[in-house]
Amino acid sequence: EAGVAQSPRYKIIEKRQSVAFWCNPISGHATLYWYQQILGQGPKLLIQFQNNGVVDDSQLPKDRFSAERLKGVDSTLKIQPAKLEDSAVYLCASSFQVSGANVLTFGAGSRLTVL
Amino acid sequence: GESVGLHLPTLSVQEGDNSIINCAYSNSASDYFIWYKQESGKGPQFIIDIRSNMDKRQGQRVTVLLNKTVKHLSLQIAATQPGDSAVYFCAVAGGTSYGKLTFGQGTILTVHP
Repeated sequence: EAGVAQSPRYKIIEKRQSVAFWCNPISGHATLYWYQQILGQGPKLLIQFQNNGVVDDSQLPKDRFSAERLKGVDSTLKIQPAKLEDSAVYLCASSFQVSGANVLTFGAGSRLTVL
Repeated sequence: GESVGLHLPTLSVQEGDNSIINCAYSNSASDYFIWYKQESGKGPQFIIDIRSNMDKRQGQRVTVLLNKTVKHLSLQIAATQPGDSAVYFCAVAGGTSYGKLTFGQGTILTVHP
């Protein structure tokens, strides 16, 4: 099966600019996640969708980050305005189940550098 | 909230040796545990998982051990190969987390030929 697709793979912007990342999950996976991975750290969950509804966005900095999954398939994550500390890899993951024992399949990530 | 830690940030082994990577977690309600491998420039890749009703699970060359009493799990890799060089993360879920995985910081495994 095709994996989780993400784009762009790399993005360099200046602080206060905006950026958007796109994710296409594995076909049939109802649950989609966006994780932020800062260099040298483990991934941290930003937001979790089930179909097109938000399950958990408690760690999403809502003053600058937004995410949507309008048709329950693809998702976009936007940052506006970006700060230096937003430099990280943004990982999208999807899973078949909503809860419980739940293997997440990750995409390759989008690496953001904020100058 | 859940916090996940690792005992060692780096581990260096010789090819053919067995590797053991450790992980501690804080939430006793955690009931699902998973190990991921992340190679440079790639997303985390599933290795093996274990539920809280088990204390050991084996895969191909890998074994995960779970000690719920001390909230500790480990990943054992047998006959470590250079291709095993990567960052290894443990992640935990459970309680009301609705599938949310909390990741540890990772252990860098380097395998020398």
